Amino acid sequence: EPEVTQTPSHQVTQMGQEVILRCVPISNHLYFYWYRQILGQKVEFLVSFYNNEISEKSEIFDDQFSVERPDGSNFTLKIRSTKLEDSAMYFCASSGDPFSVLHFGNGTRLTVT
Amino acid sequence: AQTVTQSQPEMSVQEAETVTLSCTYDTSENNYYLFWYKQPPSRQMILVIRQEAYKQQNATENRFSVNFQKAAKSFSLKISDSQLGDTAMYFCAFMKPVANAGNMLTFGGGTRLMVKP
Repeated sequence: EPEVTQTPSHQVTQMGQEVILRCVPISNHLYFYWYRQILGQKVEFLVSFYNNEISEKSEIFDDQFSVERPDGSNFTLKIRSTKLEDSAMYFCASSGDPFSVLHFGNGTRLTVT
Repeated sequence: AQTVTQSQPEMSVQEAETVTLSCTYDTSENNYYLFWYKQPPSRQMILVIRQEAYKQQNATENRFSVNFQKAAKSFSLKISDSQLGDTAMYFCAFMKPVANAGNMLTFGGGTRLMVKP
């Protein structure tokens, strides 16, 4: 069964550094998402991406965040200048249409020191 | 905005027994979807079961079933014949599909389930 893949599985970075989290969604999917889960807390929506542009974003997704689909297969989340509070598990997801199930990747654990 | 509430932060059940996890939600929408996701210690997000709000019949998936009460905005998960592998965090989630935007999920705070041998 096709799956969403995320790399790296764990990223450690210093405060103030830029970090790029990478995702390869399922190939025929059209909708792409990033979610975040701070340790011990609920999973929170960050952003959705459709037709090569952001379609929805949450209050968490401020100017420090950006997303890109650079080559038709990868979907990336960039954090420009990381803060300690950005430490979390970041999940990429994709879906084929607005009514179908989201398929989640295994997540990238981001640790900001 | 939608909210999802899971009132049981932790639960435990003996192996082979049945356990029910609670979930309530608040929305003014009429057409939506509800999900239960399982998150084991590996922190993957695994879909357990899905319910369409327009369907009156409760969804079932092997040992997992839901009790969907639309008027009460309640969506509980029943796990029958609990197995050690069911030990995980369980998240209830609400989804309102939006054309050309996708299907954003709103998650509850989770219930940590421990299955004891």
